Parts: sequence; C-alpha cells; structure tokens
Amino acid sequence: NAGVTQTPKFQVLKTGQSMTLQCAQDMNHEYMSWYRQDPGMGLRLIHYSVGAGITDQGEVPNGYNVSRSTTEDFPLRLLSAAPSQTSVYFCASSLSPTPHGYTFGSGTRLTVV
Amino acid sequence: KQEVTQIPAALSVPEGENLVLNCSFTDSAIYNLQWFRQDPGKGLTSLLLIQSSQREQTSGRLNASLDKSSGRSTLYIAASQPGDSATYLCAVESPGAQKLVFGQGTRLTINP
Repeated sequence: NAGVTQTPKFQVLKTGQSMTLQCAQDMNHEYMSWYRQDPGMGLRLIHYSVGAGITDQGEVPNGYNVSRSTTEDFPLRLLSAAPSQTSVYFCASSLSPTPHGYTFGSGTRLTVV
Repeated sequence: KQEVTQIPAALSVPEGENLVLNCSFTDSAIYNLQWFRQDPGKGLTSLLLIQSSQREQTSGRLNASLDKSSGRSTLYIAASQPGDSATYLCAVESPGAQKLVFGQGTRLTINP
C-alpha cells in the first residue's frame, strides 16, 4: 500500500544507546518531517526536510540527527538516548507546496530506560 | 508564533447525536487546516483538509468549516456512532512554515 512506512513499531533502549528510526514514503513527496507526541504536549516538530540533501531543525531538535540522501527515506537518529526521549515518534510527508495535506506513518513507540 | 487550541479536551455523547468539535488558531495567515483522527495507540488518519481559500469541506458524515478572519474551524459529525470514538486533532500550516502546528486534541466517546 502506498503511504508512509515507519520501522520499528516498538523499541526499548537503555540510556546512552543509539538507534535509528526509519521512515520511507513511496508517494514522491518532497517534504518529510519527524514529530514526537507526548501526553500534555501534543505533537511537536523535531526535524524536517524540503528535499533530498536539505534538512532543518524544528521545535525540539536536541539529541536527534537527520539526513536525507534520497527522496524516499528520512531516518531519525538518536545519538545517545535519554529517558526524556521516551515518546511516540511520527514521520509525515507531503507534496511541495502542500495542497493535499500531510500523510502520517503509524508511529514508533520508544521507551528509554 | 502560531498556537492552536481545541475545546473541549474531552466529550462524551450518546449514539446518534450530532456534535461539533472546535479548533481555534491565533494567526489567521494560514495555508491549510487539516483535521485528523487518532485511535488509541495508532497513527494519525487525515479526515479533511481545508485550504485557505475554502470555507468548508465534506466527507460522508463529516463537515469541516473554516473562518480565517476569526481564527476558527469546526468539525461537525452527523449521526454519531460508537466507531467515531477517537481523539480528533486539528493542525494548521502557515505559509513558508513547512510544518503543522497541532492542537491538543478532543477525546471523543460515543456511548451506545
């Protein structure tokens, strides 16, 4: 099915470990972005990309790294996991400009212990 | 800075009722407003998208309206069903922002 695919769906990390959350879309969307969802805080933008090779920071970028080498993929790297990064992470994509709105993946639930 | 507010935070109604969910935003210079549905432990499903030049959009029993001048949008759900129980999120995109700003959501429960 066409859409945004996120892997893994669930992950438990120990403090200090690193990992990469994967996001792929097959809709040829130029815009891709990462959000985290926390109780009481809503969804907040971490990083976004307006095309291959171009990335920028969102509201809460600290502790996260991104790169965009292809149109299809936008991985999110946690450099040294902290308990404060326990959250649900969503990847989203859209066309440029965005007359059709955003499409979201099913999310990755991350727990850092 | 754009801020989005959704009231009420939670709503419980009996099956069959028509209901309205509210969304307000502080900066009227928006590009799009998008309504999403989120089931517990799941992702976001897009329900309706209203572009800034539009007043409303309809899909089945759902109707969303947009009044940019007052900074408000409403999501109208007709003849509610238990399967409509979910959290409904409103999000706006401003020109040049390349991001969505979300409200906190309204948790809707439809009682059989």
